[in-house]
Amino acid sequence: DAMVIQNPRYQVTQFGKPVTLSCSQTLNHNVMYWYQQKSSQAPKLLFHYYDKDFNNEADTPDNFQSRRPNTSFCFLDIRSPGLGDAAMYLCATSSPGAETQYFGPGTRLLVL
Amino acid sequence: AQTVTQSQPEMSVQEAETVTLSCTYDTSESNYYLFWYKQPPSRQMILVIRQEAYKQQNATENRFSVNFQKAAKSFSLKISDSQLGDTAMYFCAFVRFSGNTPLVFGKGTRLSVIA
Repeated sequence: DAMVIQNPRYQVTQFGKPVTLSCSQTLNHNVMYWYQQKSSQAPKLLFHYYDKDFNNEADTPDNFQSRRPNTSFCFLDIRSPGLGDAAMYLCATSSPGAETQYFGPGTRLLVL
Repeated sequence: AQTVTQSQPEMSVQEAETVTLSCTYDTSESNYYLFWYKQPPSRQMILVIRQEAYKQQNATENRFSVNFQKAAKSFSLKISDSQLGDTAMYFCAFVRFSGNTPLVFGKGTRLSVIA
């Protein structure tokens, strides 16, 4: 089935140790999004790609970066994770004109 | 800027009963989409239902239906014959009709279905 896949589902890292989360999609959608979601809160957009065009939200910390090497894959890099970065990270995709965003299962990040 | 407001942080409903979740939004746009997403505990965000603003007819998906009042900027979700599996966080969301703009989410309503 076409879908949005995130790996790993759970990630444990140490304070300050770089970590990379990955997202892939088989929907062939142009747009990919990364959200951060803390407990009992709405998802907060970090950035999104329209094809290879990168759009950073104004309040996304510099500690967070992203790469999209091709249509199917997108990566979230956290250069120096802090305790406050522990959260669920959601990847989503959409197709222009269709507007509906399809979400992956998320990666839960724990920072020790 | 668009905002989405969900005024009910938590709700509960007896199994098999009907419950309505409220959502209001603010926008100056005329073309947009509204969504309800469901997020069960520790699980995936799933689209429940979607409404195009240019459609007057309210969207329905099986037991889920919406009451879309464009002039009042209201978009409530009705769940009929509630089931235990409906227990989840429900997010109302807005997006402009423009191709690649992000969703604007409400803060969510936590719904508990009680046996």
